[in-house]
Amino acid sequence: AQTVTQSQPEMSVQEAETVTLSCTYDTSESDYYLFWYKQPPSRQMILVIRQEAYKQQNATENRFSVNFQKAAKSFSLKISDSQLGDAAMYFCAYRSGTGANNLFFGTGTRLTVIP
Amino acid sequence: DTGVSQDPRHKITKRGQNVTFRCDPISEHNRLYWYRQTLGQGPEFLTYFQNEAQLEKSRLLSDRFSAERPKGSFSTLEIQRTEQGDSAMYLCASSGGLAGGPDTQYFGPGTRLTVL
Repeated sequence: AQTVTQSQPEMSVQEAETVTLSCTYDTSESDYYLFWYKQPPSRQMILVIRQEAYKQQNATENRFSVNFQKAAKSFSLKISDSQLGDAAMYFCAYRSGTGANNLFFGTGTRLTVIP
Repeated sequence: DTGVSQDPRHKITKRGQNVTFRCDPISEHNRLYWYRQTLGQGPEFLTYFQNEAQLEKSRLLSDRFSAERPKGSFSTLEIQRTEQGDSAMYLCASSGGLAGGPDTQYFGPGTRLTVL
């Protein structure tokens, strides 16, 4: 089974600074998708960014970008110009491209943004 | 697009009682998923529907759990004879099932179950 590991239970960043959240995964598949989801306190989970494994170019969405290292099975999230509204739990997730349709999630990283 | 909705948002029940949760997916989505999230953990997959067909079930889905999606629209998740270990947030997600795409799942706000 696929496993997703987030080794940083908590991270903090000063407002306007940059922070990187780590994620590694284990799979024997070559076709898959990776996601970062954000879950603010008492609010629903929303998609931050997604990456198709077959794409070499790293995905970017405004202040959010990823560093996808397929050989190393690493998928980190970089948040630039951090804002107070970025404070949340961040979950890395994996989905097979050919098999199961469900997402496999990591245990999450709680991000605190310091004013 | 009103998003994925779930009802109720909170449920407190006594051990041994049955509970039922409802999920209304985004209207044009044909795929629907149930996940369970316990405190401090990421969501864990329970089951998946494509239209009205339940295509995948996790080992986590014991025989006390049953899910339906009778007309391919809303879904219900029932837990019979609840146990304290069932206390968790139950999340529903839907996706459009577009062939060849990343098939992004959109999540509802969840139903928080507390079993006393």
